[in-house]
Amino acid sequence: QKEVEQNSGPLSVPEGAIASLNCTYSDRGSQSFFWYRQYSGKSPELIMFIYSNGDKEDGRFTAQLNKASQYVSLLIRDSQPSDSATYLCAVSDSSASKIIFGSGTRLSIRP
Amino acid sequence: GAVVSQHPSRVICKSGTSVKIECRSLDFQATTMFWYRQFPKQSLMLMATSNEGSKATYEQGVEKDKFLINHASLTLSTLTVTSAHPEDSSFYICSALDGLHQETQYFGPGTRLLVL
Repeated sequence: QKEVEQNSGPLSVPEGAIASLNCTYSDRGSQSFFWYRQYSGKSPELIMFIYSNGDKEDGRFTAQLNKASQYVSLLIRDSQPSDSATYLCAVSDSSASKIIFGSGTRLSIRP
Repeated sequence: GAVVSQHPSRVICKSGTSVKIECRSLDFQATTMFWYRQFPKQSLMLMATSNEGSKATYEQGVEKDKFLINHASLTLSTLTVTSAHPEDSSFYICSALDGLHQETQYFGPGTRLLVL
């Protein structure tokens, strides 16, 4: 069974610090990797996607991909209370017919 | 990013009735849409994959006769919960696949269903 694993948290980070969210996946053939943010009672919102090994930066967010280790991470710099949410890691399966979601990491930014 | 709408956003119905939920991709064509269900404090659960012009593919354990999916056009997929019961009360979320942009999924705002 293809899986995407995330620590459920909650991960508590002080305001202004860097929040680091991690994700591992089992399907070595996966090509596309996504991070979604979901506020309580709302639907997921795409933050970033990454396809190549290395880092991809977008504002305060940096996605990191290491295909050899089957590991994806999301760094949030200068964390704000509004970043408090559940972050979902998602990985396309090798057939690219669907995306498999992790169960999410709950992030709490404390003022 | 691409916009996906869902209607209605919230519905309350009596047990035994059927409820139809619409999912539309507003600014792109989506040959594939997905339907998810999420119970409180739980993760997203994929129910089915909806392909334009063909039958939907249901995940294991999801009753296809209870959750009817129709994807009649490149911008519209509908989910009908037939003979709804209280245990069907949940947050139903659709997503649409933007095939032109590296297979990225964009989510609709969700439909909260309460069956009394």
